[in-house]
Amino acid sequence: KAGVTQTPRYLIKTRGQQVTLSCSPISGHRSVSWYQQTPGQGLQFLFEYFSETQRNKGNFPGRFSGRQFSNSRSEMNVSTLELGDSALYLCASSLGQVGRNEQFFGPGTRLTVL
Amino acid sequence: DQQVKQNSPSLSVQEGRISILNCDYTNSMFDYFLWYKKYPAEGPTFLISISSIKDKNEDGRFTVFLNKSAKHLSLHIVPSQPGDSAVYFCAASAKDSGNTGKLIFGQGTTLQVKP
Repeated sequence: KAGVTQTPRYLIKTRGQQVTLSCSPISGHRSVSWYQQTPGQGLQFLFEYFSETQRNKGNFPGRFSGRQFSNSRSEMNVSTLELGDSALYLCASSLGQVGRNEQFFGPGTRLTVL
Repeated sequence: DQQVKQNSPSLSVQEGRISILNCDYTNSMFDYFLWYKKYPAEGPTFLISISSIKDKNEDGRFTVFLNKSAKHLSLHIVPSQPGDSAVYFCAASAKDSGNTGKLIFGQGTTLQVKP
């Protein structure tokens, strides 16, 4: 079974631009969660999508948004980029069962904002 | 408010010995706990999990122990191997449906296994 894939792996943008990151979950997984990893804050939950609906959301500003398609693939968008958005963005997929939460992560997209 | 804490930023052990990584949590709503291993420039790799209805779960060289009264869990790796050198994250999730898909991570412990 193929793992979680994320594209692109690396991205360099300038302040004020917007960016879209893509995530393809493991086949059969209907839940996709997004996380931001920075040296200072560690791994922080952004949001989760299940069956094309946002089911849960972390404490990030509205500039961070996402969506999920009918094939469970998900995209994350960050608008009006700030220097502090530089981070490793990770997506994780799971079956989405309440009470069990084994999530399987992709390799991440390294975003650098200049 | 750090709900999941890994108080040891680093740990160094000799190959063949036991590695014990510790994790504390504060939220009594957490009912599922996971350990992940992460190499640089890669995503975290799932290692082992435990439900709050158990106090121990074993998978090969990895065993996780959960002490609910102390809100503490630990990961034991026996025997430790040089390939185990990585950053280990403890994560927790809460039982209510409003928290599906959300893992709360600790800050990580860097394990170095010396040959």
